[in-house]
Amino acid sequence: SQWGEENLQALSIQEGEDVTMNCSYKTYTTVVHWYRQDSGRGPALIILIRSNEREKRSGRLRATLDTSSQSSSLSITAAQCEDTAVYFCATDAGGSNAKLTFGKGTKLSVKS
Amino acid sequence: GPKVLQIPSHQIIDMGQMVTLNCDPVSNHLYFYWYKQILGQQMEFLVNFYNGKVMEKSKLFKDQFSVERPDGSYFTLKIQPTALEDSAVYFCASSLTGGGYEQYFGPGTRLTVL
Repeated sequence: SQWGEENLQALSIQEGEDVTMNCSYKTYTTVVHWYRQDSGRGPALIILIRSNEREKRSGRLRATLDTSSQSSSLSITAAQCEDTAVYFCATDAGGSNAKLTFGKGTKLSVKS
Repeated sequence: GPKVLQIPSHQIIDMGQMVTLNCDPVSNHLYFYWYKQILGQQMEFLVNFYNGKVMEKSKLFKDQFSVERPDGSYFTLKIQPTALEDSAVYFCASSLTGGGYEQYFGPGTRLTVL
């Protein structure tokens, strides 16, 4: 889980494996953003899933959203070395006063 | 994809000095944001800005902080005076519309206050 008091989570997997990262949130959200952040760079959006969607796919990525349990997940199928990054989920209450509330993130290392 | 630029990439200043961080947002975007990230910690929202005004700011946005975007030029974050705890990476972001849509982030400015 990316919410709460735990530190940045770290996962290390082998190339070709599947991986799932989870995120639970406490406040209302209309959208969950999943960002990846490469070392020394700003976050880049990889999937955006809305509250009326249960699942969203983009290539090898799959995001799920369960508004009843206030949780979201990001899965990567057949991970590759270039998937190595920090992954964040961020909630967004919508409306004109837009702001993202980020989780602590998961540092994913994919080894060959 | 659309790019947000930030100048400078690194800034080192002495405590008490003023610093201005510059952001060149995506050209047709209307909403602008600053976020703060301390090394190894989560990104935290500072402020958003629309139509020439601050719409919302967090408790991290101290009185010493100010933002502006004069005449559609750079969107700036000014800190005056700086404090040691202001050392962090500051990310600018922009979006076409408000909440519920993608925010595009710049590469960040690493600010070190000595």
